[in-house]
Amino acid sequence: DGGITQSPKYLFRKEGQNVTLSCEQNLNHDAMYWYRQDPGQGLRLIYYSQIVNDFQKGDIAEGYSVSREKKESFPLTVTSAQKNPTAFYLCASSIESGRDNEKLFFGSGTQLSVL
Amino acid sequence: KQEVTQIPAALSVPEGENLVLNCSFTDSAIYNLQWFRQDPGKGLTSLLLIQSSQREQTSGRLNASLDKSSGRSTLYIAASQPGDSATYLCAVNYGNNRLAFGKGNQVVVIP
Repeated sequence: DGGITQSPKYLFRKEGQNVTLSCEQNLNHDAMYWYRQDPGQGLRLIYYSQIVNDFQKGDIAEGYSVSREKKESFPLTVTSAQKNPTAFYLCASSIESGRDNEKLFFGSGTQLSVL
Repeated sequence: KQEVTQIPAALSVPEGENLVLNCSFTDSAIYNLQWFRQDPGKGLTSLLLIQSSQREQTSGRLNASLDKSSGRSTLYIAASQPGDSATYLCAVNYGNNRLAFGKGNQVVVIP
């Protein structure tokens, strides 16, 4: 069953804590993306990766970090520098990011809340 | 900076009526436009993708049009059903498959 798996579904962060959201895909896609969704707002791009060992900042990268050590995995770390981390986080992938005619496939999301 | 607006923000229609959802964007330099469906607390499902060179795309009861020069797209859903109740998101690709999203049209189809 191919797709994008995000875990955990719900995550709670304490003050000053770093937390990592997992995103795994078995679609053999080169490109992966992280978006943040706030209530009543459009999704905003945090980071994206076009290929293994490479990634670029999106529109709201401050307070976040990523790695792309494997093609199938693109974890997102929400650091203590992110002062307003409560949001719904969505991971996506596409076959290639350089071909601008590809659909994006999304995971089911992780809801992050601050304790 | 690309801005995407969706009107109306929310609407309710009786079952069987046609749905018309509007999306506008400020920069016509787009590669494609996608319509997504999102159910509460869930991820996004791609419905239709229209390339910048295309005028419309159809899939079953769904039809999406694109007028790139005027910065507009419309999603039509024919003969709406209660199962069509969801939030519909419009997104434009501004390069490298990076998407700028609207805030969504929240739809309720009343049985």
